[in-house]
Amino acid sequence: QVQLVESGGDVVQPGRSLRLSCAASGFTFTSYAMHWVRQAPGKGPEWVALISNDGVNKFYADSVKGRFIISRDNSKNTLYLQMNGPRTEDTAVYYCATDSRRHFDRWGQGTLVTVSS
Amino acid sequence: SYVLTQPPSVSVAPGQTATIICGGNNIGSKRVHWYQQKPGQAPVLVVYDDTDRPSGIPDRFSGFHSGNTATLTISRAEDGDEADYYCQVWDSSSDHYVFGTGTKVTVL
Repeated sequence: QVQLVESGGDVVQPGRSLRLSCAASGFTFTSYAMHWVRQAPGKGPEWVALISNDGVNKFYADSVKGRFIISRDNSKNTLYLQMNGPRTEDTAVYYCATDSRRHFDRWGQGTLVTVSS
Repeated sequence: SYVLTQPPSVSVAPGQTATIICGGNNIGSKRVHWYQQKPGQAPVLVVYDDTDRPSGIPDRFSGFHSGNTATLTISRAEDGDEADYYCQVWDSSSDHYVFGTGTKVTVL
């Protein structure tokens, strides 16, 4: 069955860096574009970034553009999110999700990122 | 940026029907998707492309799309349907994915 397992969430100081990972299994990873979606405490989900199945095309929410980098390693069935210069407002649970015709088909269970000094 | 508006809360008696509305500018031209999220869990897709259900989602969940609103209907509501529900679209003008403000459904 489809499984998405996020890791790498931690407490990080503002301005430092953190890399999140999402290990995929149970489906053909190379056939799917992938997303990162986050959810701040008590708030609704917010789309963060999208990467095409081949890793060539990348799209970002305005709130993270220029600071976060989405990437993937298809040989390892793994999706990444490099968070550079995080801010306190980036505190959230970060989910990876598969893309299916412009919606989020399957989700991982999320990893918590807390940005605090 | 594109905005999707939902009522903050909806209450429904067990066995009755709950209706959640999602509104947005020219939403009639977009495909609308719906997610259910229970406390401490990841969202789950319950309706996609306005009216379709993923496998495993009961037919008590149905979507409808007309004019400037999209609707998620939960028929024969059960205690297990208590959750937050979010609509979502892809905004082609910005190439961004947008979620609605969310609706908390309470089964009284």
